[in-house]
Amino acid sequence: QSALTQPASVSGSPGQSIAISCTGTSSDVGGYNSVSWLQHRPGKAPKLIISEVSKRPSGVSDRFSGSKSGNTASLTISGLQAEDEADYYCSSYTRSNTMVFGGGTQLTVL
Amino acid sequence: EVQLVESGGGLVQPGGSLRLSCAASGFSFKDAWMTWVRQAPGKGLEWVGRIKSKGSGGTTDYAAPVKGRLAISRDDSKNTLYLQINSLKTEDTAVYYCVWMTTAETPGYWGQGTLVTVSS
Repeated sequence: QSALTQPASVSGSPGQSIAISCTGTSSDVGGYNSVSWLQHRPGKAPKLIISEVSKRPSGVSDRFSGSKSGNTASLTISGLQAEDEADYYCSSYTRSNTMVFGGGTQLTVL
Repeated sequence: EVQLVESGGGLVQPGGSLRLSCAASGFSFKDAWMTWVRQAPGKGLEWVGRIKSKGSGGTTDYAAPVKGRLAISRDDSKNTLYLQINSLKTEDTAVYYCVWMTTAETPGYWGQGTLVTVSS
């Protein structure tokens, strides 16, 4: 199972919006509404910020939103804040009854 | 409050074995599907395997690269998840995370991880 494809890095200024893409295949991202997004700060436990493509867990800021079109899912962060600086990973259930992650995207807030 | 605390990592020689533990609290562990995920230095997250709750059959599934060398088990009486890793290779060097799957496909809560270093 190949990793999902994410850009290695994205950046934005405070207050701006950015989007991170996550591209898979019809056997994972495109075939199921089970894409999750995780925020991972160095030395901390990864944190779920989006589940089932677009659902926000309780306590997660509404500045985070998710969507999917075909085999590509996207995470949008609006009103960028310095605290958003982290690595972001997508994940998806797969047809093989396993889970696959993206390679991760490093977000820099300028 | 959900807590997942991994332990058991350390420095191991190639060919050796290790058992990682994950102590869970704050949710109904016996009903939980649990997953192990690892992150090699400078790399992304990699799904290692999953164990279903006993109510769902208690079965395990593993990633192809590690199948045959890893075994996931659970002790619901101790609210503890285990990962046994045998025939360790240098490429098994990683931080290993314990994850509570809050739905069958959602990695809802993560531990802080435990570092396994395989080196001679």
